[in-house]
Amino acid sequence: GDSVTQMEGPVTLSEEAFLTINCTYTATGYPSLFWYVQYPGEGLQLLLKATKADDKGSNKGFEATYRKETTSFHLEKGSVQVSDSAVYFCALSGGNTDKLIFGTGTRLQVFP
Amino acid sequence: DTGVSQNPRHKITKRGQNVTFRCDPISEHNRLYWYRQTLGQGPEFLTYFQNEAQLEKSRLLSDRFSAERPKGSFSTLEIQRTEQGDSAMYLCASSSRTSGDEQYFGPGTRLTVT
Repeated sequence: GDSVTQMEGPVTLSEEAFLTINCTYTATGYPSLFWYVQYPGEGLQLLLKATKADDKGSNKGFEATYRKETTSFHLEKGSVQVSDSAVYFCALSGGNTDKLIFGTGTRLQVFP
Repeated sequence: DTGVSQNPRHKITKRGQNVTFRCDPISEHNRLYWYRQTLGQGPEFLTYFQNEAQLEKSRLLSDRFSAERPKGSFSTLEIQRTEQGDSAMYLCASSSRTSGDEQYFGPGTRLTVT
């Protein structure tokens, strides 16, 4: 079945460092791909999405490109801030119901 | 802002008791999803409604679990004869074609079974 694999955390960075969180997927057909973020004490929020190959999703300085050839959707940010500390989930959707299939999440900790 | 709301936010119950959770989706959204999230894991799909019809159920949803969405508005998730393994965060999300199929999540109901 469809699945998402993302790098384990925690990822610990200093402020202004470059961030990459790896995400790869297995799916039949052509899923849409998402990054969701969960800040401490808050609910899941959509960070960005891409619906077809070579699309780039971007939001709040974060970017991810839908790479069909490598079945990847890695999350990147050029300069992280302390306020980016959160858990990041990669997900895909597809099929008739668009249900989301999530990875296990990656905790990011940014220190000043 | 009338986002997705869930009640209660926290529920502590003893093993063997029944519990019911409620989800109120964004009013114009016709699609509603339930997910379950355990500590250190991503959310797992439980079930999906389009309007009032329950169109998909995960095999994670044992016969102790039942969900309804009368009149295609709010939804309830009931767990009968709770077990300690049911302890988790239960998340509700809603979406519609006009929202670009983006799923908006509620804050979740945290269930603790003692």
